[in-house]
Amino acid sequence: GQQLNQSPQSMFIQEGEDVSMNCTSSSIFNTWLWYKQDPGEGPVLLIALYKAGELTSNGRLTAQFGITRKDSFLNISASIPSDVGIYFCAGLDGSSNTGKLIFGQGTTLQVKP
Amino acid sequence: DAGVIQSPRHEVTEMGQEVTLRCKPISGHDYLFWYRQTMMRGLELLIYFNNNVPIDDSGMPEDRFSAKMPNASFSTLKIQPSEPRDSAVYFCASSRQGRGAKNIQYFGAGTRLSVL
Repeated sequence: GQQLNQSPQSMFIQEGEDVSMNCTSSSIFNTWLWYKQDPGEGPVLLIALYKAGELTSNGRLTAQFGITRKDSFLNISASIPSDVGIYFCAGLDGSSNTGKLIFGQGTTLQVKP
Repeated sequence: DAGVIQSPRHEVTEMGQEVTLRCKPISGHDYLFWYRQTMMRGLELLIYFNNNVPIDDSGMPEDRFSAKMPNASFSTLKIQPSEPRDSAVYFCASSRQGRGAKNIQYFGAGTRLSVL
């Protein structure tokens, strides 16, 4: 079945540093979503991407939909302590029209003040 | 909108007991998803519904698990009998699909289940 490989699995960085994480797939997706999960809460949508090559920002966050439609990355600039959490990528196979998302394994981010 | 509402937020039960988790999706959403999250296996899709009809339950681990969606505003996930290995956080999510929709799943806050 479809799988997403998300990397890195975890990151421990200093406040103020930039962060980059990515997801790759063996198949094509028509939509890429990036979620963040705070401790004790459900995942919350950060950025949605709908076109190959699309680059979208949300404050200090920037995400891109890869040209091949098989990958996406998320960058966080000037990290702050509240960026701590688990970041998930998710892809939607539009051709199947199931509405079912495929999730990456998550990147756990820790920020040292 | 209040978002996806799940109850209870926490459930502690003894092995062998029946557990029922509840979910109210966002009004107007036609898809509802149940996920389970553990440290070992990450986020797993258990089952999802479209217009109250179960579409894919291949992720349901065993016959002890069942899910229903009697109407557009309510769904349950039941475990009977529960076992310690069922301990996890269970999430419900809903979305609106189709032309003009953004296909974004919105998650509830989850139910943390502990089976002793």
